[in-house]
Amino acid sequence: DAKTTQPPSMDCAEGRAANLPCNHSTISGNEYVYWYRQIHSQGPQYIIHGLKNNETNEMASLIITEDRKSSTLILPHATLRDTAVYYCIVRIYGGATNKLIFGTGTLLAVQP
Amino acid sequence: DAGITQSPRYKITETGRQVTLMCHQTWSHSYMFWYRQDLGHGLRLIYYSAAADITDKGEVPDGYVVSRSKTENFPLTLESATRSQTSVYFCASSDTGGNLEAFFGQGTRLTVV
Repeated sequence: DAKTTQPPSMDCAEGRAANLPCNHSTISGNEYVYWYRQIHSQGPQYIIHGLKNNETNEMASLIITEDRKSSTLILPHATLRDTAVYYCIVRIYGGATNKLIFGTGTLLAVQP
Repeated sequence: DAGITQSPRYKITETGRQVTLMCHQTWSHSYMFWYRQDLGHGLRLIYYSAAADITDKGEVPDGYVVSRSKTENFPLTLESATRSQTSVYFCASSDTGGNLEAFFGQGTRLTVV
């Protein structure tokens, strides 16, 4: 699986959009981009995933660049409960080796 | 109850002892994973399993043994615990279809003294 690079930490004001970047310059054509988050001491929680088109669900939006070498997770209206570590992962979809490898993630601190 | 459960939630053991962490899921998911998370660090994959009787090493498999005789269970054994294995252990499961969303257990906090 391709490696990802994320900033170690970011701040965001409550109510504002949080934009979390991720670089995955070695991503291959059959790898999807997944985002998870981990709120303190809990198990990680799935947020969203995509291949090359932008995706949106009730939690967030995912913007993937045209060359697929980077992506941005957008939380449109961050709340204090969104304070967590956010992990960007690239993963082969349905491949024989279905590993899920986490990087170090970005600690998002939402400030009141 | 449906879901993924880990047991025990907390465990203290002595160096050199064997300890087994249990993971049980009720969805019949094909894939199961074991991770460890050390204080202030991300999750590192120990072992994973694609189906019953199929397991493979992750990033940090040394010192650990897994088995998967039934789809729903994926126990992790530390054959001779060391202090460096003090960590929080997370189990997860994921199906082969849909969005491959992985569901995580609540974690087991293991302390080796």
